[in-house]
Amino acid sequence: EIVLTQSPATLSLSPGEGATLSCRASQSVNNYVAWYQQRPGQAPRLLIYGASNRATGIPARFSGSGSGTDFTLTISSLEPEDFAVYYCQQRGNWPPYPFGPGTKVDVK
Amino acid sequence: DVQLVQPAAEVKRPGESLKISCKGSGYNFPNFWIGWVRQKPGKGLEWMGIIYPDASDARYSPSFRGQVTMSVDKSFSTAFLQWSSLKVSDTATYYCARLCGGDCYETGAFDMWGQGTLVTVSS
Repeated sequence: EIVLTQSPATLSLSPGEGATLSCRASQSVNNYVAWYQQRPGQAPRLLIYGASNRATGIPARFSGSGSGTDFTLTISSLEPEDFAVYYCQQRGNWPPYPFGPGTKVDVK
Repeated sequence: DVQLVQPAAEVKRPGESLKISCKGSGYNFPNFWIGWVRQKPGKGLEWMGIIYPDASDARYSPSFRGQVTMSVDKSFSTAFLQWSSLKVSDTATYYCARLCGGDCYETGAFDMWGQGTLVTVSS
């Protein structure tokens, strides 16, 4: 089973700053990586699928990149509503399609 | 509007059974896989399994196989997650989510989520 790791565990930034979140897979996942945002008390929301495709309604300040085993979510300029936990997820050849442990982006 | 509606909460005793629901609307329910995701208090997301309503084809994570049962009633556009004997360790929020379609399908991403059902198991 493929294992995902995310770094850093916590990212402390100020509104307006840029954020770079990393997701690494234990083996190649064919770019089938998704990113989700979860705000406190809310359900997760899909941000990025297929490593770099923004989901419907997601602002352009969110972008995804990477291939093989290393993937990145970039938030170009943090808005107040972007302070949340971010999870990556991969789809390998068979279920399960696990999530990473998450990166919390909080206010510095 | 595309949405998945779940009951907000359930409270049960250890050893009791439970079946929680997830009702889809605003889209062609039979043609999209539905998944279940567990989130224990203060913890991350755990992928439990997916089920295809039109064929009742269910695929479980090894961690959850034998612990829960997924089912659907496509005539009511509703998916279910069931326990036969709850444990205190089953206390968590359970989300249902729709596996995306179109060019997103092969990625295995969930594009629509219910609000989650908080299941509390306590004596």
